[in-house]
Amino acid sequence: GAVVSQHPSRVICKSGTSVKIECRSLDFQATTMFWYRQFPKQSLMLMATSNEGSKATYEQGVEKDKFLINHASLTLSTLTVTSAHPEDSSFYICSASNRHNQETQYFGPGTRLLVL
Amino acid sequence: QKEVEQNSGPLSVPEGAIASLNCTYSDRVSQSFFWYRQYSGKSPELIMSIYSNGDKEDGRFTAQLNKASQYVSLLIRDSQPSDSATYLCAVDPGGNDKLIFGTGTRLQVFP
Repeated sequence: GAVVSQHPSRVICKSGTSVKIECRSLDFQATTMFWYRQFPKQSLMLMATSNEGSKATYEQGVEKDKFLINHASLTLSTLTVTSAHPEDSSFYICSASNRHNQETQYFGPGTRLLVL
Repeated sequence: QKEVEQNSGPLSVPEGAIASLNCTYSDRVSQSFFWYRQYSGKSPELIMSIYSNGDKEDGRFTAQLNKASQYVSLLIRDSQPSDSATYLCAVDPGGNDKLIFGTGTRLQVFP
């Protein structure tokens, strides 16, 4: 149980384009989903927290207009990196928690983004 | 500033030995503590959670929590080369289920 998937696993795009990353909880309903970013040899940095049907809460320093988050259902959240630039190249990882165990986060496999 | 501190390592242990990974945290009201394992290029995988002072055992893994000292550790018995990874300590400061991650300790188990 508690399986989280992400799509795509890897994406290469040109500077200025937008990229959408999907995060799905496959066998449970995710009341909350989290989006993290991880640069090489660094720890996970929380970008935003999203609850189904409500606006995402962004961490300090994360531009909400650049990183658009939609959590339309209890099993799907999307992160769109708008007008991506090379400095946005990173490993983006989502996690999800369920209503029965809200403190435990289960991570998706991550999406590696490379912006040329 | 709420912080979670870990020694970055690498911590090198021989196969079969006990690996001891340590973590300290700054927010005294923290209630939930987690250990995640992250292989290179992969996302974190939950190993254990601990909420109460003392030890919690799961197979070869034992988590130890001391809230008075703001210290949580992970022991890996009978270490295997496949245990070689970065181990992330994560703390929920309480109230909103967000996790604060340490920078991780890289463990190397050599045959």
